[in-house]
Amino acid sequence: SQQGEEDPQALSIQEGENATMNCSYKTSINNLQWYRQNSGRGLVHLILIRSNEREKHSGRLRVTLDTSKKSSSLLITASRAADTASYFCATDDRGQAGTALIFGKGTTLSVSS
Amino acid sequence: EPEVTQTPSHQVTQMGQEVILRCVPISNHLYFYWYRQILGQKVEFLVSFYNNEISEKSEIFDDQFSVERPDGSNFTLKIRSTKLEDSAMYFCASSEQRGSGELFFGEGSRLTVL
Repeated sequence: SQQGEEDPQALSIQEGENATMNCSYKTSINNLQWYRQNSGRGLVHLILIRSNEREKHSGRLRVTLDTSKKSSSLLITASRAADTASYFCATDDRGQAGTALIFGKGTTLSVSS
Repeated sequence: EPEVTQTPSHQVTQMGQEVILRCVPISNHLYFYWYRQILGQKVEFLVSFYNNEISEKSEIFDDQFSVERPDGSNFTLKIRSTKLEDSAMYFCASSEQRGSGELFFGEGSRLTVL
């Protein structure tokens, strides 16, 4: 079934460094979204990139999408301790209108001060 | 800012008991979802709901699960006879757009089945 897979599974960096997380998926999509989850909390939408877009920015976030490779990356620049969380990519299935978002396994980011 | 609210935040139940998890989606949203997350694992899609009927459901959403919108604000997930493996965090979400729009999630209901 349609699924995003993130890597790495876990990432530890120092404050001020950049964090890059990758996501791969299997089928054609309408868009790809990234979500953040603090431990034990609900998911929060970060950014959506459409299949006809290659790059998108939002504050310290930069997302790229390569539909030929079926992959996306999320870059967080100048990371802060408050960025510590799990990050998930989520995709739909372009072949089926209205298909629910399917989430990957996530990358756990730890930013130490 | 509008938000999705879920109750209870934590429920402990005995195996075989019925559980109802409640959600109040954002008021002008029309599409509703339930997801679950077993501790330390990925977020899994259960079911989507629109216009008072199920739009889509996953393999996880078997006959022991049901959803309902009993009034104009609540959206519920019922598990008829809980199993140990139903222990998880259950998240409700809503969206304005169908399918590939942004989802707004609640804080979740943690279900522990003993």
